[in-house]
Amino acid sequence: DQQVKQNSPSLSVQEGRISILNCDYTNSMFDYFLWYKKYPAEGPTFLISISSIKDKNEDGRFTVFLNKSAKHLSLHIVPSQPGDSAVYFCAASLEGGKLIFGQGTELSVKP
Amino acid sequence: GAGVSQSPSNKVTEKGKDVELRCDPISGHTALYWYRQSLGQGLEFLIYFQGNSAPDKSGLPSDRFSAERTGGSVSTLTIQRTQQEDSAVYLCASSLEGLYNTEAFFGQGTRLTVV
Repeated sequence: DQQVKQNSPSLSVQEGRISILNCDYTNSMFDYFLWYKKYPAEGPTFLISISSIKDKNEDGRFTVFLNKSAKHLSLHIVPSQPGDSAVYFCAASLEGGKLIFGQGTELSVKP
Repeated sequence: GAGVSQSPSNKVTEKGKDVELRCDPISGHTALYWYRQSLGQGLEFLIYFQGNSAPDKSGLPSDRFSAERTGGSVSTLTIQRTQQEDSAVYLCASSLEGLYNTEAFFGQGTRLTVV
């Protein structure tokens, strides 16, 4: 039972363009969502988060959008840079409990 | 320490042997999580501690897996009679307890290879 899904295993984008990573969830009770970035041989690092009471959160080049009615969130990176190439995981939690992660999307930003 | 520390960083063990993986969380973080990532897979939840108790053990794959946490700090994940399918990167994370919105900070992981 995959409660958090990232249906695209990979994404390739040209440097300077927008990267859009998508995530769907099934549990409408999730109240907090996060995006993590992971480089090879390293642990995931926190990138940006959003509470279920909001529909957008922005931090520099990174913006997360939440559509509760569609149970969908997305991460926008603009402009994309080669250093953004990594695996991106979305995660959801319920009342401060465990984080449930998606399968990840590998982003490749080409110069 | 400044971050979550895991040891060893790499472990190769023979099938059937027991292994112990250690996690030192960020000081003051009372929530601690274990995840694993198998080759080509996402982050699979294993167990979650609040202080020394584990309110959610639902992710442990079998009774060969166990974890404990002492003093509200260090945690040990033990895998008994290891099997080849246990090969994965085991990740530990910690976060502040009690905050409604909180992110978890991950260690670098322990890469376990069962041969």
